Amino acid sequence: AQSVTQLDSQVPVFEEAPVELRCNYSSSVSVYLFWYVQYPNQGLQLLLKYLSGSTLVKGINGFEAEFNKSQTSFHLRKPSVHISDTAEYFCAVRRYTARQLTFGSGTQLTVLP
Amino acid sequence: EPEVTQTPSHQVTQMGQEVILRCVPISNHLYFYWYRQILGQKVEFLVSFYNNEISEKSEIFDDQFSVERPDGSNFTLKIRSTKLEDSAMYFCASSTDRGYEELFFGEGSRLTVL
Repeated sequence: AQSVTQLDSQVPVFEEAPVELRCNYSSSVSVYLFWYVQYPNQGLQLLLKYLSGSTLVKGINGFEAEFNKSQTSFHLRKPSVHISDTAEYFCAVRRYTARQLTFGSGTQLTVLP
Repeated sequence: EPEVTQTPSHQVTQMGQEVILRCVPISNHLYFYWYRQILGQKVEFLVSFYNNEISEKSEIFDDQFSVERPDGSNFTLKIRSTKLEDSAMYFCASSTDRGYEELFFGEGSRLTVL
């Protein structure tokens, strides 16, 4: 079975500051890795995904994430956040041979003016 | 841009009543899913559906739940006899049959059981 741990439930940060949202996972088999974002009263939207290859992946809205196999981490970063980045961010994994996503508990990012 | 649509956006029901949540997946997608998120908790997988049958389901998806694709466009989740603990946001999602493709989620249906 897989599990995903998002180490911070809430991350407040000032506008234009950098941010890192942490994600660690546990799995006995190879997995795909995803970050989804949920804006208030909206569904989940894919930010980025890691399938294979380069460990640094770039996504929408200036976000990027780095896959670290030895540390089983997939941390999300943005060098300069905007007020509009305020949302809940979910890390998720999926086994190569399955369809279901296993989500972390989410990190609420609040960007302060 | 194609999107997954869900109805209703919010439903309030009495305990013991049957509820049907509806979803229109993206038209060329072949896999369909239901997830739920109880307030303050993780998003949890319920079921995936492919080729008119359930392909995976979680322990949550017991006999009270069923899914159906009644026509070429809709995908429904039925809860036969709702319990208080079924109160949650239910998300429908769809994907292609390529294993590396991501899931596209709808905006969710909030179910409140009184």
